[in-house]
Amino acid sequence: LAKTTQPISMDSYEGQEVNITCSHNNIATNDYITWYQQFPSQGPRFIIQGYKTKVTNEVASLFIPADRKSSTLSLPRVSLSDTAVYYCLVAYNNNDMRFGAGTRLTVKP
Amino acid sequence: GEEVAQTPKHLVRGEGQKAKLYCAPIKGHSYVFWYQQVLKNEFKFLISFQNENVFDETGMPKERFSAKCLPNSPCSLEIQATKLEDSAVYFCASSQSQGNFNEQFFGPGTRLTVL
Repeated sequence: LAKTTQPISMDSYEGQEVNITCSHNNIATNDYITWYQQFPSQGPRFIIQGYKTKVTNEVASLFIPADRKSSTLSLPRVSLSDTAVYYCLVAYNNNDMRFGAGTRLTVKP
Repeated sequence: GEEVAQTPKHLVRGEGQKAKLYCAPIKGHSYVFWYQQVLKNEFKFLISFQNENVFDETGMPKERFSAKCLPNSPCSLEIQATKLEDSAVYFCASSQSQGNFNEQFFGPGTRLTVL
């Protein structure tokens, strides 16, 4: 059974780098990994997507090892406004949408 | 439009009543997805459409849930004879492509409360 798992919560302080890892053991050859951010009472918002190795954009980096069974979202120098729930999503076999349960990140001053 | 619109924002129904939720995807997006988010933050995929055609409905509880995406109309998700466990936030998302390498744009959600 395809499953996407991630830690329930993480705490950090302003200015630190935060790394959130997601496990997706049954990922298939063509499956991509996508990360979303969700604030209370809002819909998820796309952060970054990747297939292998490393992807970087203006807000985050995504590290994917060679076996692709996990991925790590890296948020550089977090601020209080980064307090949110972060979700990993894998579309297994192109259509089986599996979100992780979400990682609640709390950034403290 | 440039955002996914969902109506209503809140919906309250008594057990056994019907509930209908609406979603207007971003113009130009061919794919629409419905998700159910329950209190523990978990998202459950319900159904996806490619234009007006069902693309994948493996997550739909078919005995009470139905969905449509008709041309020139908002997409809809209907729940017949609601149950207490249907209480959740229902999100609609749209994208230009499906599955691999797609960015889904989510609406603000409809909070359904079944009493």
